[in-house]
Amino acid sequence: SAVISQKPSRDICQRGTSLTIQCQVDSQVTMMFWYRQQPGQSLTLIATANQGSEATYESGFVIDKFPISRPNLTFSTLTVSNMSPEDSSIYLCSVEDPSRVGGETQYFGPGTRLLVL
Amino acid sequence: GEDVEQSLFLSVREGDSSVINCTYTDSSSTYLYWYKQEPGAGLQLLTYIFSNMDMKQDQRLTVLLNKKDKHLSLRIADTQTGDSAIYFCAESHGSSNTGKLIFGQGTTLQVKP
Repeated sequence: SAVISQKPSRDICQRGTSLTIQCQVDSQVTMMFWYRQQPGQSLTLIATANQGSEATYESGFVIDKFPISRPNLTFSTLTVSNMSPEDSSIYLCSVEDPSRVGGETQYFGPGTRLLVL
Repeated sequence: GEDVEQSLFLSVREGDSSVINCTYTDSSSTYLYWYKQEPGAGLQLLTYIFSNMDMKQDQRLTVLLNKKDKHLSLRIADTQTGDSAIYFCAESHGSSNTGKLIFGQGTTLQVKP
């Protein structure tokens, strides 16, 4: 199956700054997604990263706060802008791997643990 | 609306079976999934079941799906201390949002030696 890596694995940031998280896949995938997991909570989909076009955001998430890039079929970035302590979360990217049976199945990266002070 | 519910905590003794339960609301879900999250780690896909199946077995894992009651369960046979983790069930959303997964709150499994 696809191997997914994320950078950075963790970071501590000051409020008001921005952080860009990278997601790299070792094979071409059609669908890439970004999720947020707030402390002690479940995962919530932020957006679908579309290759060559603007990301599709879920209700409650906006492009100005979470700009996303998807320049090709193996790479995506998520930026958390103008951070506040409420943005402290684990941010995970996931991909659908069409080479696997159950092609809608999503596989997750290791996550980026963000703490905003 | 979309909702996936799980009990928050389960404690078992090593060697016993664990059963983690999940209910969901979206009857148009194509697949239902179980993911495992160990402390400080990302999500590991454990297994999935297609919505037209009622059971799937994979080594120590057995998934049961009751589509009528919208109930999903994960049974872990011979539970080991290494099975201690948070287990999330998830459903694939209906047709309007391709790829969207709705997750439950997660069940923390504690395995006592």
